[in-house]
Amino acid sequence: AQTVTQSQPEMSVQEAETVTLSCTYDTSESDYYLFWYKQPPSRQMILVIRQEAYKQQNATENRFSVNFQKAAKSFSLKISDSQLGDAAMYFCAYRSRGANSKLTFGKGITLSVRP
Amino acid sequence: GAGVSQSPSNKVTEKGKDVELRCDPISGHTALYWYRQRLGQGLEFLIYFQGNSAPDKSGLPSDRFSAERTGESVSTLTIQRTQQEDSAVYLCASSFRVTEQYFGPGTRLTVT
Repeated sequence: AQTVTQSQPEMSVQEAETVTLSCTYDTSESDYYLFWYKQPPSRQMILVIRQEAYKQQNATENRFSVNFQKAAKSFSLKISDSQLGDAAMYFCAYRSRGANSKLTFGKGITLSVRP
Repeated sequence: GAGVSQSPSNKVTEKGKDVELRCDPISGHTALYWYRQRLGQGLEFLIYFQGNSAPDKSGLPSDRFSAERTGESVSTLTIQRTQQEDSAVYLCASSFRVTEQYFGPGTRLTVT
C-alpha cells in the first residue's frame, strides 16, 4: 500500500517570501501521479499542482513549483512571493495510474503567512 | 459550470441515529469518490464509483457505512447507528474517467 508523509505540521512565511513544504511517499509502483491540494477554512479542496511520475521535468503553476525527486520519493512544494491568500492547509497526495484512482493523502501542513 | 455540491453543509445528530449525506457530482463525471477527514487529519478514502462498474468499498470503516449512486448522478452516503468517532467532515469528489478529482465543500458531521 502507498503511504504519504508530511512531517511538518505547521509552517510560517513572511509575505512576499518563499516557502517550501515537504512531502515524502512510499510506493512500489513506477508510474503514478502526485498532487498538492490547498484547503482554506472554507473546506474546499483546491488542486494546486500535479506531477506525473514519468515526467522528469518539475511541474510549475505560476508561483507554485515542485521539486520531484523520484529516486528519493520526495515531492516538495515551493511557493514563491507568498501572499496572504496562500494561508491554508496544504495536503500532498498520491494516486496510482491504474483503474482505482483513489487519492492517498498526507496529514497536511498548516501554512500561515505573516503580513 | 457548477461544481460538486454536497448537502447538508453541517449535520448534528445524536449517537445511535442514522444519517444520510448527499453528493451531486459535476455533470458528465463518471467517477465519484467519498472521503472522510477527521479533525486535523488528511483525507481517508471511503468508497469509489466508476460508471456502471461495481464500487470499490475497500475504505469503508465498518458495515454501518454504505453508499449508493444512481447511474452517473447523485450519490448518498449513509451511516447507521452513528458513533462519536464518526464525527468528521465527509468530502465528495468527482472526475471524468481518471483525470483530476474535483471536490465538493464537504458535510461536517457532529455526533453528540
